[in-house]
Amino acid sequence: NAGVTQTPKFRVLKTGQSMTLLCAQDMNHEYMYWYRQDPGMGLRLIHYSVGEGTTAKGEVPDGYNVSRLKKQNFLLGLESAAPSQTSVYFCASSRPTGIQYFGAGTRLSVL
Amino acid sequence: AQTVTQSQPEMSVQEAETVTLSCTYDTSESDYYLFWYKQPPSRQMILVIRQEAYKQQNATENRFSVNFQKAAKSFSLKISDSQLGDAAMYFCAYRQGGSEKLVFGKGTKLTVNP
Repeated sequence: NAGVTQTPKFRVLKTGQSMTLLCAQDMNHEYMYWYRQDPGMGLRLIHYSVGEGTTAKGEVPDGYNVSRLKKQNFLLGLESAAPSQTSVYFCASSRPTGIQYFGAGTRLSVL
Repeated sequence: AQTVTQSQPEMSVQEAETVTLSCTYDTSESDYYLFWYKQPPSRQMILVIRQEAYKQQNATENRFSVNFQKAAKSFSLKISDSQLGDAAMYFCAYRQGGSEKLVFGKGTKLTVNP
């Protein structure tokens, strides 16, 4: 029962570097989401997707791009990382208006 | 915009005792859902309990139950017979009916003392 799998679990970047976070789900869910979690804050929605080939902005989309080329995968990209993007990133998936199931998170540090 | 407020940044409880975590929300909608998620030190977000706004009956899952006061826009979580494994961050979350988006509160850190 893999559920939602995030890769990598930890990453350290230098300012200006780029990287891609991968989220994979095996539950055949239509919807997928990317959140960030900062100290003292709840999770905030970055981008989400309601189906293959579609993406939409959430609450804090600036500095991030996403792609959903396959139903089971949702990629989060940072083109030019900034220290303000130091955070823990969570991916989630769900059926339409269903319960969201979360991955274990990726801790990203930008120096 | 909908907001979710958890007024207790930290709470503690003795093992086997009962604790209640508070959550209030602000919405003008009538169709919505409320959730409590648990985040242990492993970081994994785990759904504890869910409540549909149209249901008057409070949701219950084993030792976890909610007190849903729709008019007061209050959604508290009661944990009975607290166990050491209940120690975690607890997040209250709101989703408007028909929407994909979850709005989270800032969380309450629960410590369980042996």
